[in-house]
Amino acid sequence: QVQLQESGPGLVEPSETLSLTCDVSGYSISSGYFWGWIRQPPGRGLEWIARIYHSGITNYNPSLKGRVSISVDTSKNQFSLRLTSVTAADTAIYYCVRLPPDYWGQGILVTVSS
Amino acid sequence: DVVMTQTPLSLSVTPGQPASISCRSSQSLLSSDGKTYLYWYLQKPGQSPQLLIYEVSRRFSGVPDRFSGSGSGTDFTLKISPVEAEDVGLYYCMQGTHLPLTFGGGTKVDIK
Repeated sequence: QVQLQESGPGLVEPSETLSLTCDVSGYSISSGYFWGWIRQPPGRGLEWIARIYHSGITNYNPSLKGRVSISVDTSKNQFSLRLTSVTAADTAIYYCVRLPPDYWGQGILVTVSS
Repeated sequence: DVVMTQTPLSLSVTPGQPASISCRSSQSLLSSDGKTYLYWYLQKPGQSPQLLIYEVSRRFSGVPDRFSGSGSGTDFTLKISPVEAEDVGLYYCMQGTHLPLTFGGGTKVDIK
């Protein structure tokens, strides 16, 4: 069974960089599918952030205006998210997913605050 | 961006009765490959969203057959028949035909 697990700091200071990693088990990233991130501000809806293919092909949501990057490490079967210059508006539960979103991680709450 | 509009915003259903949620997209979701990438998710309280339906009408592995999806182009419907107590939560539609991927605002379903 495909399982995804997010990890990273739960608290990030304003203007700093948010970094998260997703460990995948039960499926090799190199076997296919896009892998990506979706976030959900507390009490609000879902927003797709970015996706990556094992070959390195990437797509980003333009709403994040170039602040976001996604990378993959096939040797560790994991992928990562970086979001720079964070503000309180970036406070959310961040989910890593296999795309199209069929398998989801449990989510990690990241709070942007000093 | 493709705007996904869900109606109603909330729904209160008697167990054993049917329920229906509508999702409308601002552009056709028919892809050049002939497929329509419309998905339905259920987010139970305190949990990650779970996939119910993919490509308009295909049930994901393990999803009960009381969930069904239909539609084409820009108009889609999720039907639950009959509703069970465990079906409470937020339902979202999502389109995967156009980038960026976009979600509907959600429909909250509770039990009377």
